Amino acid sequence: ETGVTQSPTHLIKTRGQQVTLRCSSQSGHNTVSWYQQALGQGPQFIFQYYREEENGRGNFPPRFSGLQFPNYSSELNVNALELDDSALYLCASSFIGSSNYGYTFGSGTRLTVV
Amino acid sequence: GESVGLHLPTLSVQEGDNSIINCAYSNSASDYFIWYKQESGKGPQFIIDIRSNMDKRQGQRVTVLLNKTVKHLSLQIAATQPGDSAVYFCAENIPPYSGGYQKVTFGTGTKLQVIP
Repeated sequence: ETGVTQSPTHLIKTRGQQVTLRCSSQSGHNTVSWYQQALGQGPQFIFQYYREEENGRGNFPPRFSGLQFPNYSSELNVNALELDDSALYLCASSFIGSSNYGYTFGSGTRLTVV
Repeated sequence: GESVGLHLPTLSVQEGDNSIINCAYSNSASDYFIWYKQESGKGPQFIIDIRSNMDKRQGQRVTVLLNKTVKHLSLQIAATQPGDSAVYFCAENIPPYSGGYQKVTFGTGTKLQVIP
């Protein structure tokens, strides 16, 4: 059973640019959630994808968008990057339909916006 | 509103002692609680969970206690080891909305430092 893998591990972008982060879900999971974790803070919920559609969103602007593919892998896209977007971006997969709501997290992508 | 918070930002314990990490939550609709451990440079790792119809659950060296009356959650680590040094987050899950949506809300974390 493979875990959740994210790529790239580190990324440096310039303000105003666009970025795409990728995530491969744990085998057997059908839901992907993305979180932003600023330094010294807990992860903040961005959105969740289930059956290839966004079915929940936290307090993030529309320039944060995503995709979920038939194989349950996912992308997080951020347009018009701002300095405050610098953070660790975490992908977590889970299986909706079981009695266990626990997530499996990847190791994250460290994004630095300069 | 929804919030999950922790009483102590940093906890230092002697190796071999027991550790207790506390957490307060405010959403009475939350039905599932999880403790995560996050080591430097890694994503959060599941430790133990508990449902709202329980008040105690034990794992290997860890115990989670839930007091719904005062909306309080704690994680107890027995015989703390250097490898337990990490940031610990409690998280709460509000029951899924229609369409299977689930949202897990994290607190800000407690850093556990184990003194050899």
